[in-house]
Amino acid sequence: LAKTTQPISMDSYEGQEVNITCSHNNIATNDYITWYQQFPSQGPRFIIQGYKTKVTNEVASLFIPADRKSSTLSLPRVSLSDTAVYYCLGSQIGGKLIFGQGTELSVKP
Amino acid sequence: NAGVTQTPKFQVLKTGQSMTLQCAQDMNHEYMSWYRQDPGMGLRLIHYSVGAGITDQGEVPNGYNVSRSTTEDFPLRLLSAAPSQTSVYFCASREWKESTDTQYFGPGTRLTVL
Repeated sequence: LAKTTQPISMDSYEGQEVNITCSHNNIATNDYITWYQQFPSQGPRFIIQGYKTKVTNEVASLFIPADRKSSTLSLPRVSLSDTAVYYCLGSQIGGKLIFGQGTELSVKP
Repeated sequence: NAGVTQTPKFQVLKTGQSMTLQCAQDMNHEYMSWYRQDPGMGLRLIHYSVGAGITDQGEVPNGYNVSRSTTEDFPLRLLSAAPSQTSVYFCASREWKESTDTQYFGPGTRLTVL
């Protein structure tokens, strides 16, 4: 089964902007691209979702190029509390929502 | 709304024992899923359901059974527990309509099989 591809880990410092890119080559025409955040010992929670171009909410921005084969989650001015694992979900495979390995973001003071 | 609830929060089993992990949602979502997450790993799909009476296998279905008799409940049964099933289990409910496609996850059940 095809999955999304993301960097395994990233490091950042407080106050910096963090960009995490995800590759989803097999995305279907009508699939949304969704990003989730997971803290230790908790279930993932929805951050942001988009179909094309750019989406922004109070937490993050999501950039999607015209071919939709990748997406970039942008976290402005990260803080220590943004340390978490970030997952992108780009494609259903036969109705199944398959998660990739995720990106472990570590924010340092 | 309580969202997605899971019981129990923690469970210890002996090899060969069976048990049922409970999952319920009060958002009237048709689509529900079960995932497992091993230490330091991502989520792997066990089973999912697109509505009452309809279930299908995910990536790692062996050793698990599911049923969906109501929209609200989606229990996961371990038939004969094995140490390899030690994991954290998450249930999710999916809001899937024209303008959104979002999963809501429960708090998880930590299962240890000795």
